[in-house]
Amino acid sequence: NAGVTQTPKFQVLKTGQSMTLQCAQDMNHEYMSWYRQDPGMGLRLIHYSVGAGITDQGEVPNGYNVSRSTTEDFPLRLLSAAPSQTSVYFCASSPGQVLGSPEAFFGQGTRLTVV
Amino acid sequence: DQQVKQNSPSLSVQEGRISILNCDYTNSMFDYFLWYKKYPAEGPTFLISISSIKDKNEDGRFTVFLNKSAKHLSLHIVPSQPGDSAVYFCAARQGAQKLVFGQGTRLTINP
Repeated sequence: NAGVTQTPKFQVLKTGQSMTLQCAQDMNHEYMSWYRQDPGMGLRLIHYSVGAGITDQGEVPNGYNVSRSTTEDFPLRLLSAAPSQTSVYFCASSPGQVLGSPEAFFGQGTRLTVV
Repeated sequence: DQQVKQNSPSLSVQEGRISILNCDYTNSMFDYFLWYKKYPAEGPTFLISISSIKDKNEDGRFTVFLNKSAKHLSLHIVPSQPGDSAVYFCAARQGAQKLVFGQGTRLTINP
């Protein structure tokens, strides 16, 4: 039972490079989202999706793009990496409003360093 | 503008005693409140939640209390065990599965 799988676990980028953080879930969840965790600030929502083909911005969307072509996958793209994007990134999924469950299931995280 | 706040960065408790973690919020539109536990190099794992229309929810050693008039919730762990040592995040749900997190409290259980 894999749950939410994120790849890679670690990444070092140079300023200006682009990359895609991968996220996949095997629980057939409608909702998926991306958060970043910085010291002393908890987790902040970057982008989220309520179903295939539907995405929206969270609290800190600048510098990131997302798309949701399938229920299972929700990749996060960094367009031109900046040192301020050094962070730990978490992908999460949840069943959606219909089932009423509020909990989100998180992946193990991607630690990104931009130099 | 922090909508969810955990004012204690750290808490140290003796094994077997009660641990109480606190959380304050400002937005009355949150419909659920959740507690997550996080170990180093792992993702947050769900512990317990409470609907905004309830004032208490229990699950084994974990109890969450919600005081809507004070916009305050707390997580009680009793008895505390060494495996409870982790960072605890309070989160509030804001529609369409948007979670707003507090800064976290590092709980250390001493033998």
